[in-house]
Amino acid sequence: SQKIEQNSEALNIQEGKTATLTCNYTNYSPAYLQWYRQDPGRGPVFLLLIRENEKEKRKERLKVTFDTTLKQSLFHITASQPADSATYLCALDIVRKLIFGQGTELSVKP
Amino acid sequence: ETGVTQSPTHLIKTRGQQVTLRCSSQSGHNTVSWYQQALGQGPQFIFQYYREEENGRGNFPPRFSGLQFPNYSSELNVNALELDDSALYLCASSSTGTSQTQYFGPGTRLLVL
Repeated sequence: SQKIEQNSEALNIQEGKTATLTCNYTNYSPAYLQWYRQDPGRGPVFLLLIRENEKEKRKERLKVTFDTTLKQSLFHITASQPADSATYLCALDIVRKLIFGQGTELSVKP
Repeated sequence: ETGVTQSPTHLIKTRGQQVTLRCSSQSGHNTVSWYQQALGQGPQFIFQYYREEENGRGNFPPRFSGLQFPNYSSELNVNALELDDSALYLCASSSTGTSQTQYFGPGTRLLVL
């Protein structure tokens, strides 16, 4: 069966450290993979998109890797800040629709 | 540039009723997608509209239907509401007929009693 899974447990880290979130999938062949941020009671906000032929993408303190052999994406936030606390969603882009994981809640403590 | 807006923000209905949710897409976007997000879960794709035609559908029954208007705004209709339909309904717009970056509205919180 097709599945997309993110760290099920909340991630708690200290301010200034690097947060690493994992997204694994099975039985999909996405052309793109996207990461979104969602704050409580609000809609997801787009962060980064990575294509199947790209290994790594960076934007300011954010870095995404995409390994189509392992069927895994890693999402890193360096020099994390309390304002980075939110739920982070990965989404596979499968012809005309986004398939989302369940999200990982990140909490950055001062 | 106006972002994606949705109305209403909250809604309470009873089982068996019908509901219509509305979405205005971001300026310049011609594609609208609808998602259902249950508490603690990721959004689930319901369907997408491109140039007023349905352009892909997820695993939702026919009582979930939609419309897109010439100005690219959209409606989601749900008939014969069930308790499990209680969720946050998200609308997202994008600028092409295939899904790329999507811009989400704030959502409509639906509670079915």
